[in-house]
Amino acid sequence: DVKVTQSSRYLVKRTGEKVFLECVQDMDHENMFWYRQDPGLGLRLIYFSYDVKMKEKGDIPEGYSVSREKKERFSLILESASTNQTSMYLCASTRGLSYSNQPQHFGDGTRLSIL
Amino acid sequence: GQNIDQPTEMTATEGAIVQINCTYQTSGFNGLFWYQQHAGEAPTFLSYNVLDGLEEKGRFSSFLSRSKGYSYLLLKELQMKDSASYLCAVLGNAGNMLTFGGGTRLMVKP
Repeated sequence: DVKVTQSSRYLVKRTGEKVFLECVQDMDHENMFWYRQDPGLGLRLIYFSYDVKMKEKGDIPEGYSVSREKKERFSLILESASTNQTSMYLCASTRGLSYSNQPQHFGDGTRLSIL
Repeated sequence: GQNIDQPTEMTATEGAIVQINCTYQTSGFNGLFWYQQHAGEAPTFLSYNVLDGLEEKGRFSSFLSRSKGYSYLLLKELQMKDSASYLCAVLGNAGNMLTFGGGTRLMVKP
C-alpha cells in the first residue's frame, strides 16, 4: 500500500512566522501535490511537482513556496504566515505520466491554525 | 476556467440507494475521479471514468456523460459507514492537475 506521511496532524503558529509542512511518500512516485481544504471550497491546489527540483503553481500559490530536493519528500513553506492561511493542508502523490488515470494518494492532513 | 458543481449535503436511509451528481465545465477533459473522505481522514480513491458509460465496483457505480459534462456516483445498499464526503475531481488539460468540486456530505440515517 502507498503511504503518504505528513509530519504533523495539528500545528499552531503565530502570524508572521515561517512555517514548514513536510510530506514523504514511500512508493517512488514522480508527482507530488499540496492542497488546502476549506469548508464549502473543496480541495484547492497550491503547488505540485512532477520531478525533483521541479515545481508548478496551482490555483492558489500566493503566500506559499515549495521545495523538492529528494523524490520522496515535498515541503510546503508559508513564508510569513497569516490568519487566512488557517486551513487543512493535504499532501498527495501519484505515479507516472501526464493525464494518467493513476489516482492520487493522500496523506492524513495537517490542520494548521495561525493565531 | 474550471467549474465543478456538486450538492453540498444529502441524507439517505440505511439500505437505500443514493445518487450523487457532479456537473463540470473545464478546459479539456482527461478523466473524472470520485473520492470518499471520512471526517478527519484522507480522501481515498473510489473510481475513475474517462469513457461514457457506467463503471460498477461492488456497491458503488460511477457514470459519465462527456457530452453533457455530467457524472454521478451511485451507492447501493447504504451502510452507516458510508456517511462521508464524496469528492468529484476532473483531470483537465494541465498534466496531472486535478480540479475538485466542493464535495457532497452524505449522512446515512438508520
